Amino acid sequence: GAGVSQSPSNKVTEKGKDVELRCDPISGHTALYWYRQSLGQGLEFLIYFQGNSAPDKSGLPSDRFSAERTGGSVSTLTIQRTQQEDSAVYLCASSPRWQGASTGELFFGEGSRLTVL
Amino acid sequence: KQEVTQIPAALSVPEGENLVLNCSFTDSAIYNLQWFRQDPGKGLTSLLLIQSSQREQTSGRLNASLDKSSGRSTLYIAASQPGDSATYLCAPTGGSQGNLIFGKGTKLSVKP
Repeated sequence: GAGVSQSPSNKVTEKGKDVELRCDPISGHTALYWYRQSLGQGLEFLIYFQGNSAPDKSGLPSDRFSAERTGGSVSTLTIQRTQQEDSAVYLCASSPRWQGASTGELFFGEGSRLTVL
Repeated sequence: KQEVTQIPAALSVPEGENLVLNCSFTDSAIYNLQWFRQDPGKGLTSLLLIQSSQREQTSGRLNASLDKSSGRSTLYIAASQPGDSATYLCAPTGGSQGNLIFGKGTKLSVKP
């Protein structure tokens, strides 16, 4: 597709269940980012990938959160044993080839809204 | 650790006014700074990207300036329109981490 695609757009789950959120970046973009936006809050950085590797995992809130990227393309964010405080919009973004320490322009998807009951 | 502050948090203006949104950041060792808009329930749309070597960027009625040494950026919107109503976010990128740090945004409302 032309833009960053995220699925599902909405997910309602019960506390304690596992969820998987998917991000399909713009074709050819090597950098991929996950952010979380809670109601009324700013964007919280979670993790980013350069290719298939994740140089910075510092933003993951707990060991219940994990992410992977395969083939330098699609990424999956997994939340195990979901808690109510995990309810938020999870946003994915991709960026063109990352040269050195300077990232290019970021393009965001529409987000996945997660509600944990 | 980079911290980003945006002032004002909210702004309401009549249509046609020129306005300025402010962004300040604590770590001036940035590589670039990006401005976004976010409409309710939507993702972020990139407006302008300013490289650290640049002082400003323009796109249509939008002009963004960057003063890296003082840790400030401004977004100027000329002749505001109701369609400009959204939350505007700034995000500098710095260091070797490559991730953008976002401010909490300025919520703009332009009244017809």
